[in-house]
Amino acid sequence: DVVLTQSPLSLPVTLGQPASLSCRSSQSLVTGNGNTYLSWFQQRPGQSPRRLIYNVSKRDSGVPDRFSGSGSGTDFTLKISRVEAEDVGVYYCMQGTHWPQTFGQGTKVEIK
Amino acid sequence: EVQLVESGGALVQPGGSLRLSCAASGFSFSIYWMNWVRQTPGKGLEWVANIRQDGGEKYYVNSVRGRFTISRDNANNSLFLQMNSLRVDDTAVYYCVPGSAFDYWGRGTLVSVSA
Repeated sequence: DVVLTQSPLSLPVTLGQPASLSCRSSQSLVTGNGNTYLSWFQQRPGQSPRRLIYNVSKRDSGVPDRFSGSGSGTDFTLKISRVEAEDVGVYYCMQGTHWPQTFGQGTKVEIK
Repeated sequence: EVQLVESGGALVQPGGSLRLSCAASGFSFSIYWMNWVRQTPGKGLEWVANIRQDGGEKYYVNSVRGRFTISRDNANNSLFLQMNSLRVDDTAVYYCVPGSAFDYWGRGTLVSVSA
């Protein structure tokens, strides 16, 4: 199975400052037709996961534009341009290129 | 509005059985593959099983194959997970998730396996 390694595991951030979360894959996530099925999810305390980003960089409807995804091949990044209090939670990456789909272990974002 | 309501979770002893249900609404259930995904404090999020639209294909993560059975009832927009020979490490919140996009999640149902 594809292993997704997220770093850091914990990220204390000052309100209004940027945050950068990394997700590295044990295999390339590019399909034969050039698509890359890498998504990012946010899980706020006490809530279910919510998809933020799909296909590396496409934001879901209603997701603030301070969230952006980038990367290619095996290296991916989720950036929050200015962290707000409501961004506290755990962020997971997920790959859907290889069966079975797998998730990273999560990065916990907290306010300093 | 898409709604997914999981139920059936409980405290059960090792070796026991449970049947989880998921009531889906707000989308065309019968045209989607459906998944069960679980979340544990130790292993995080893990895809467990999925089933084709007509129920003709089913896939499982290695750790549950032979013990869990996924099924669906398209007439009633429902998804099921029959869980037998439960183990302590099956303890998790179980979510039903439609399709391959994983863009909708329910609240989940808690399964606790403990003596």
